[in-house]
Amino acid sequence: GAVVSQHPSWVICKSGTSVKIECRSLDFQATTMFWYRQFPKQSLMLMATSNEGSKATYEQGVEKDKFLINHASLTLSTLTVTSAHPEDSSFYICSARDRGGEKLFFGSGTQLSVL
Amino acid sequence: GENVEQHPSTLSVQEGDSAVIKCTYSDSASNYFPWYKQELGKGPQLIIDIRSNVGEKKDQRIAVTLNKTAKHFSLHITETQPEDSAVYFCAIPNKFYFGSGTKLNVKP
Repeated sequence: GAVVSQHPSWVICKSGTSVKIECRSLDFQATTMFWYRQFPKQSLMLMATSNEGSKATYEQGVEKDKFLINHASLTLSTLTVTSAHPEDSSFYICSARDRGGEKLFFGSGTQLSVL
Repeated sequence: GENVEQHPSTLSVQEGDSAVIKCTYSDSASNYFPWYKQELGKGPQLIIDIRSNVGEKKDQRIAVTLNKTAKHFSLHITETQPEDSAVYFCAIPNKFYFGSGTKLNVKP
């Protein structure tokens, strides 16, 4: 199957700083990638859809100025958590569809801890 | 109701026994049904999927069955092993609906 690489796997930062998470499709081009947030013992919650060369589409209730998404190439999308606060601490996961456009493949996730 | 309901939320089995997890969905237009395995601290991994023109698909110890009339699909794991312990999610990917997850614990 398709491979989606996500970095870093974990990050600890101070309150007020910004953190960037990268999501790469390694063996295919992904014009669209997706970002999720997952709280402990809960399912995935879609945050936004990242579109190559255009603005991201955010789900209701997700602050676009807090979670900046950049999809500058066909293989890379980044999520920047700006001015992070402890309540932003969570597990963030990206995904991309394969060439057929049907299957979703996920990155390995990033555990963000804001002190 | 929920777009996709998953049961049970937790499942504990003895090594070697079978495990079955079920998801019920509401959108009759859905035609692709995957199952994901998520280990602690990692992203979900696609383990098996099925399309609506097929009733059952098997891959070694894992199988998925689909009942389109009743709108439910199930994950079957036979001869469970401790390394099968994880959280399993069903999904309706085209709608970004995810089941609530089932924590499977396989006791040695």
